[in-house]
Amino acid sequence: AQSVSQHNHHVILSEAASLELGCNYSYGGTVNLFWYVQYPGQHLQLLLKYFSGDPLVKGIKGFEAEFIKSKFSFNLRKPSVQWSDTAEYFCAVKSPYTGTASKLTFGTGTRLQVTL
Amino acid sequence: DADVTQTPRNRITKTGKRIMLECSQTKGHDRMYWYRQDPGLGLRLIYYSFDVKDINKGEISDGYSVSRQAQAKFSLSLESAIPNQTALYFCATSYGVRTEAFFGQGTRLTVV
Repeated sequence: AQSVSQHNHHVILSEAASLELGCNYSYGGTVNLFWYVQYPGQHLQLLLKYFSGDPLVKGIKGFEAEFIKSKFSFNLRKPSVQWSDTAEYFCAVKSPYTGTASKLTFGTGTRLQVTL
Repeated sequence: DADVTQTPRNRITKTGKRIMLECSQTKGHDRMYWYRQDPGLGLRLIYYSFDVKDINKGEISDGYSVSRQAQAKFSLSLESAIPNQTALYFCATSYGVRTEAFFGQGTRLTVV
């Protein structure tokens, strides 16, 4: 079964600082990878996704993530955070093939707090 | 996403009561999921359904049951609610194996 580890549980940054959130997954096969964001009091929204091709994926709001297969990682980055990026961020993984591994498995989340 | 609707949005119930959370979608997706969210634990999968006749337990299915009444409807039941089932519950949908999941607005359940 697949699993996801997010090592940073709570990150506090000043506005304009650079962001990198770690995500490592455990699964032996081909994977689809996702980053979701949850703003306070809201539901989860997709930031970006990786299915295949270029391992550097660009998403909405200036976020990007890099898939490094050898490290089983999919870290999220943003060069300059804004106060409005304050939210909880979740990494998720699934298999692209049929079967129970194609269910979506989430990490425990990283709470990002951006200060003015 | 308004295409995935959860009812109720908030519910307070007493220990031992049976409660049903409902999810409906207009996206035409075949796959539906129920997750619960607890602080520090992220989203944990309760049950998932790949189509109307295919229902599977997730990692924390004990104390829960589900019903896939139609492709568009997936209900979660707590047969006898207990306080540690107090959480935020999310329904999600996806299409086939190569799409992301789309989430409902969530149901905040409190068991007293």
